[in-house]
Amino acid sequence: GQQLNQSPQSMFIQEGEDVSMNCTSSSIFNTWLWYKQDPGEGPVLLIALYKAGELTSNGRLTAQFGITRKDSFLNISASIPSDVGIYFCAGLSGYALNFGKGTSLLVTP
Amino acid sequence: NAGVTQTPKFQVLKTGQSMTLQCAQDMNHEYMSWYRQDPGMGLRLIHYSVGAGITDQGEVPNGYNVSRSTTEDFPLRLLSAAPSQTSVYFCASGTGGTGNQPQHFGDGTRLSIL
Repeated sequence: GQQLNQSPQSMFIQEGEDVSMNCTSSSIFNTWLWYKQDPGEGPVLLIALYKAGELTSNGRLTAQFGITRKDSFLNISASIPSDVGIYFCAGLSGYALNFGKGTSLLVTP
Repeated sequence: NAGVTQTPKFQVLKTGQSMTLQCAQDMNHEYMSWYRQDPGMGLRLIHYSVGAGITDQGEVPNGYNVSRSTTEDFPLRLLSAAPSQTSVYFCASGTGGTGNQPQHFGDGTRLSIL
């Protein structure tokens, strides 16, 4: 599969701070997706992006589909303790979804 | 509101045994897929299906078979279990079309091969 480079690998922040993570690829994708996974559970879809340049929000989350179609970023504003988890980016090429290795987010009260 | 249901939640097998991981969804989704998740590797696509009677291979299909006889069910078969198949397996479904991406994941099957 096509390799996605997701960074940072982990983040340790205080409640109330903003968070930014990104994903890059050497390949072009038609769709970018962001998921959150809590321990012992399956990933949950947060945001789906379908057009280059698209900027989409879901509550305190904002994600953008890069102009080159090779990258995407996810921002979380005013973090809260329940934001803790692993965030995955994923790029869709045809019917195959390629995942990044995840960003582990820890939020302290 | 069942969504995607995976069974069993945990399983231990001996090398060489076969078994089937079950996946069912009640949302009438056309697209279903199987992933494995290993530490530090993210999720990797094993097989997927875009509708009943249609299946295709993903990134890591070797050692696994799938079938899609109904829209609701997408079982994953391990033909002869190997220690390298120790992993957490996730099934996912989606609405298909431009939404050919996993929108709903099950809670996973944790499989250990001894």
